[in-house]
Amino acid sequence: AQKVTQAQTEISVVEKEDVTLDCVYETRDTTYYLFWYKQPPSGELVFLIRRNSFDEQNEISGRYSWNFQKSTSSFNFTITASQVVDSAVYFCALSEVGDDKIIFGKGTRLHILP
Amino acid sequence: DTEVTQTPKHLVMGMTNKKSLKCEQHMGHRAMYWYKQKAKKPPELMFVYSYEKLSINESVPSRFSPECPNSSLLNLHLHALQPEDSALYLCASSLQRDYEQYFGPGTRLTVT
Repeated sequence: AQKVTQAQTEISVVEKEDVTLDCVYETRDTTYYLFWYKQPPSGELVFLIRRNSFDEQNEISGRYSWNFQKSTSSFNFTITASQVVDSAVYFCALSEVGDDKIIFGKGTRLHILP
Repeated sequence: DTEVTQTPKHLVMGMTNKKSLKCEQHMGHRAMYWYKQKAKKPPELMFVYSYEKLSINESVPSRFSPECPNSSLLNLHLHALQPEDSALYLCASSLQRDYEQYFGPGTRLTVT
């Protein structure tokens, strides 16, 4: 069965600090996709990244970086030099190849304090 | 243009009303989705349309009725809803299955 666990329910950091959001997943498939989404207070989910299970290279996009480790079934997300605008709920998600649906974790609520 | 639009933004309806939610995308995506999201919870999948055919119905009560008139439009018809159906209803689309989904801003529904 598929499962995504985001153990951190809520995190608060002071602006400019780095913060890492953890994501651990379970799947029996060898081929799958992992995603991160951001949901700011406005409510709209914003797509951040999609990663294929065969591609374990870490990715960096501006202040955002992702660390994919198949050995520990983790796909962690780091925000460097956090800003108040980063305050949101962040969801990690998993999709098995050929499946129409993605499984979301419960989300981590991130507060960036000025 | 990675935009999914949803109307209305807010909807208040009584338990005997019939209303519809509308979702539109012009990205050429062939998969469209309806989700329901309660406060402080992740989105819950309701329906998936793939190439305009219903491919997943996650055991949603019949008072919710989806419709996909064409590849750009997705509707959700509501009838005889219950107060517990009050939630944020999100529409999403993706190029095909397995691809990232792009979400609309949602319709905040209140059933009185």
